Amino acid sequence: AQSVTQLGSHVSVSEGALVLLRCNYSSSVPPYLFWYVHYPNQVLQLLLKYTSAATLVKGINGFEAEFKKSETSFHLTKPSAHMSDAAEYFCAVRLSGGYQKVTFGIGTKLQVIP
Amino acid sequence: EAGVAQSPRYKIIEKRQSVAFWCNPISGHATLYWYQQILGQGPKLLIQFQNNGVVDDSQLPKDRFSAERLKGVDSTLKIQPAKLEDSAVYLCASSRDDTGANVLTFGAGSRLTVL
Repeated sequence: AQSVTQLGSHVSVSEGALVLLRCNYSSSVPPYLFWYVHYPNQVLQLLLKYTSAATLVKGINGFEAEFKKSETSFHLTKPSAHMSDAAEYFCAVRLSGGYQKVTFGIGTKLQVIP
Repeated sequence: EAGVAQSPRYKIIEKRQSVAFWCNPISGHATLYWYQQILGQGPKLLIQFQNNGVVDDSQLPKDRFSAERLKGVDSTLKIQPAKLEDSAVYLCASSRDDTGANVLTFGAGSRLTVL
């Protein structure tokens, strides 16, 4: 069975500082990996996804994530935090093949300090 | 395109009462998901439909929860009788199908409080 572990349920960064949200996955086969974001007063939405086409994936709002098979990681980064980045971020995994479910991590709440 | 519609947005009931949630997915999306998100946790899959057939309900508490997707379009999730621990946001999502990197599109959720 697949799973993801998000380290740090709450992360605080200063505006302009690097954002690093950690995600490690567990899967018996190469998975598809996702980051979803829940901005205040919006629906949960896709930030970016890994499909094996490239290990470095770029998403919306300047975020990117790198798939590292040797570390079973898919950490989310942004070089410079903006106040509007304050949200809850979820890492998710889905195995390849048909009839596969998407499993979410516990989530990381990002606070951006002015 | 129109998003995933859910209703009601909020519901407060007493324990042992029943409640039903409705979801209308994006047109043409074959796969529909119901997730339960308890405060402080990530979304947990309750049931997944492919068209009008169930492909995963392994985490659905079948003694009290039921769900159906008639005609492969909209869906209802019912809880009867409700328990205090059912207080959560119930998220509906849909995707084109359940393979590969298909993206889930979520609704706004239905927040249930059980007193």
